[in-house]
Amino acid sequence: KQEVTQIPAALSVPEGENLVLNCSFTDSAIYNLQWFRQDPGKGLTSLLLIQSSQREQTSGRLNASLDKSSGRSTLYIAASQPGDSATYLCAVRPGQAGTALIFGKGTTLSVSS
Amino acid sequence: ETGVTQTPRHLVMGMTNKKSLKCEQHLGHNAMYWYKQSAKKPLELMFVYNFKEQTENNSVPSRFSPECPNSSHLFLHLHTLQPEDSALYLCASSQIGWQGAYEQYFGPGTRLTVT
Repeated sequence: KQEVTQIPAALSVPEGENLVLNCSFTDSAIYNLQWFRQDPGKGLTSLLLIQSSQREQTSGRLNASLDKSSGRSTLYIAASQPGDSATYLCAVRPGQAGTALIFGKGTTLSVSS
Repeated sequence: ETGVTQTPRHLVMGMTNKKSLKCEQHLGHNAMYWYKQSAKKPLELMFVYNFKEQTENNSVPSRFSPECPNSSHLFLHLHTLQPEDSALYLCASSQIGWQGAYEQYFGPGTRLTVT
């Protein structure tokens, strides 16, 4: 059974720091991996989608990498800002035939000014 | 309206009530999903509909009854709920093609409180 783990569970940093959020999954047979952002009490906003054949994706200050063989992904946030404060969720789609996503519990980020 | 919308945004109901959650997607997708997000737990898949047909039911209790009349609308009918059913219920949609499901887009969620 696929399980997704995110470390750390919570992170507090001062504004301007570069930071890394970690995601690991137990079964390397994934089709893709998606990073989401969730603001308190709100829905999910998709940040980056990495296909299993890709190594990384970039969007603005965000960079996500994928090492499928070791079951790991990282989300790198450059020059963090208070507006980045949110919960970041990692989710994998288990195999080409799968439709639904399997989520980690998330990392709650707080960026202070 | 754009993206995925959900109504109501907040709902308080008693254990004997019957209510329904509504989701609508304006993205032209052919698949829709219900997820449940409880405190301190990962998001859990509840149901998947592909071209209006239910393709996955993740062992959800029968007090939750989904309905998908067309590819753009998804309902979750609730009856005789328990306090532990209090959670954020999220709807999502995606396109499903020959390579499987593509990127999922989520609605804002309905915060449900069962008293």
